[in-house]
Amino acid sequence: EPEVTQTPSHQVTQMGQEVILRCVPISNHLYFYWYRQILGQKVEFLVSFYNNEISEKSEIFDDQFSVERPDGSNFTLKIRSTKLEDSAMYFCASIGLGSGEAFFGQGTRLTVV
Amino acid sequence: AQRVTQPEKLLSVFKGAPVELKCNYSYSGSPELFWYVQYSRQRLQLLLRHISRESIKGFTADLNKGETSFHLKKPFAQEEDSAMYYCALSSSNTGKLIFGQGTTLQVKP
Repeated sequence: EPEVTQTPSHQVTQMGQEVILRCVPISNHLYFYWYRQILGQKVEFLVSFYNNEISEKSEIFDDQFSVERPDGSNFTLKIRSTKLEDSAMYFCASIGLGSGEAFFGQGTRLTVV
Repeated sequence: AQRVTQPEKLLSVFKGAPVELKCNYSYSGSPELFWYVQYSRQRLQLLLRHISRESIKGFTADLNKGETSFHLKKPFAQEEDSAMYYCALSSSNTGKLIFGQGTTLQVKP
């Protein structure tokens, strides 16, 4: 069964460093998302991406965040200058045309020290 | 404001007991409601959605627009139902999900 794949599973980075979280969505899906979950809190929407552009973003998704689909298969989330409060589990998800069901990756645990 | 509320962080029941995980939502239009489940060390996966009106693994959920609720029910809990359950609302054309805080269901033998 096709799955959404995220790498790495765990990333530790120093405050102020740039990180790139990678996702390979299901191949025929058209809608892509990033969510995050700070420890002990709810899963929060960050951004949605369709037709090679951002279709919606939350207040959390400020200028330090960016997304890209560089090669038609990978979907990346870049955090330009990480802060301690960026420490969270980051989930990628994708939805196929006409489906409505979001398929999630296993998540990347980002720890900013 | 669009919001999903799951009032219980933890629900602990014995095997064979009925289960009801509560979910209330706040949304002015016609939302689509989902239940997602996360078993230990696994990814979030869809359990059921209100438009399909089907029963998955013995779970059902009915959308009550008057009470703005979408409670998840199962008449007889099994140990393998132990997991984290998230109620979610999809409200926009982009398909983004708004999640509740999640309820951990613990089914004791």
